[in-house]
Amino acid sequence: DAMVIQNPRYQVTQFGKPVTLSCSQTLNHNVMYWYQQKSSQAPKLLFHYYDKDFNNEADTPDNFQSRRPNTSFCFLDIRSPGLGDAAMYLCATSRDRGEQFFGPGTRLTVL
Amino acid sequence: AQKVTQAQTEISVVEKEDVTLDCVYETRDTTYYLFWYKQPPSGELVFLIRRNSFDEQNEISGRYSWNFQKSTSSFNFTITASQVVDSAVYFCALKRDGTGGFKTIFGAGTRLFVKA
Repeated sequence: DAMVIQNPRYQVTQFGKPVTLSCSQTLNHNVMYWYQQKSSQAPKLLFHYYDKDFNNEADTPDNFQSRRPNTSFCFLDIRSPGLGDAAMYLCATSRDRGEQFFGPGTRLTVL
Repeated sequence: AQKVTQAQTEISVVEKEDVTLDCVYETRDTTYYLFWYKQPPSGELVFLIRRNSFDEQNEISGRYSWNFQKSTSSFNFTITASQVVDSAVYFCALKRDGTGGFKTIFGAGTRLFVKA
């Protein structure tokens, strides 16, 4: 089945220790997104790639970076995680501006 | 500015009851897209429906139905004969056409509890 896969599902890191979350898709969608979702809140868009074009949201901290080496893969790098970065990170894909298909998420814990 | 309001924070029903989740949106665009997503306790958001602004036809899919009314800027979601498996957070969302159209404006979500 075509899908969005996120690894790892759970990630524990220490305060200030860089971490990378990965996302892959078999849907061949041209747009990939990274969201941050904290408890009882709606997902918050961090950035998206439209093909190779990177689009950062104005309020996304510089601490968050992303890479999309090819159509299928996208990475979220958190350079120096703080306690406030503990959250669920969701990857999603879409074909152009259509509906999004989400991965299962990576729950990040910062100690 | 675009905005999505889901005034119901939590709803609790007993199994087999019908339940309607309200969604009101604001946009100045003439072309836009509305969505509903379901987020069960497992955490993965699941796409339920997309509706284009120029298509006001209501839709039914099994026990789910959606009522889109441009005159009141509402896109309500009804679950008929609710089941325990319907327990989840439901998000209504809006996307614009054109510039900025990749950003989804989510409502705050409505948490639905269906008790057996």
